[in-house]
Amino acid sequence: DAGVIQSPRHEVTEMGQEVTLRCKPISGHNSLFWYRQTMMRGLELLIYFNNNVPIDDSGMPEDRFSAKMPNASFSTLKIQPSEPRDSAVYFCASSPGTRTGSNQPQHFGDGTRLSIL
Amino acid sequence: DQQVKQNSPSLSVQEGRISILNCDYTNSMFDYFLWYKKYPAEGPTFLISISSIKDKNEDGRFTVFLNKSAKHLSLHIVPSQPGDSAVYFCAASAAGTYKYIFGTGTRLKVLA
Repeated sequence: DAGVIQSPRHEVTEMGQEVTLRCKPISGHNSLFWYRQTMMRGLELLIYFNNNVPIDDSGMPEDRFSAKMPNASFSTLKIQPSEPRDSAVYFCASSPGTRTGSNQPQHFGDGTRLSIL
Repeated sequence: DQQVKQNSPSLSVQEGRISILNCDYTNSMFDYFLWYKKYPAEGPTFLISISSIKDKNEDGRFTVFLNKSAKHLSLHIVPSQPGDSAVYFCAASAAGTYKYIFGTGTRLKVLA
């Protein structure tokens, strides 16, 4: 079975450039999550979608970050303009959970390692 | 304020012995707990979970224990194998929510 697929696996770009990270959730999963992992803050939730609708974006650091989910099989996380402090590993996860939670584990992709020079 | 804490950043265990990884939480509203395993350059992989109505859940070599009064959970791996060497994260969520709060992880090294 195909798991959560993220692309690219690695991204190196210069400060000020636009960065787009992509995610394909597991088919049939209706919840999608974007996380960021850093040494300082560990794994933190950026945004959560349920049935393609953003439910909670309180973790998005600032307006430079945006996320979309145009359909059930695709989501993007965009950073514009990028800054060196955005360097981190970004994970996408999906689950069959309902909007209010149904004790279903989230399944993670292998992440995108982002380096902003 | 860290609601889920893994106070041991690393642990080394001999192959065949028991590995015990610990996790403490502060939020009494948490009622669902999970353990994830993470290898380098891969995403976290779900390992085992436990609901607050139980105090133990077993899956093969992996057992999770929950002590609600102490707000403490632990993961036991018996017997430990070199392939178990990874970073282990505990996570917790509250009833009616979707949000997991993750601990900072414990790096387990199983020595052959």
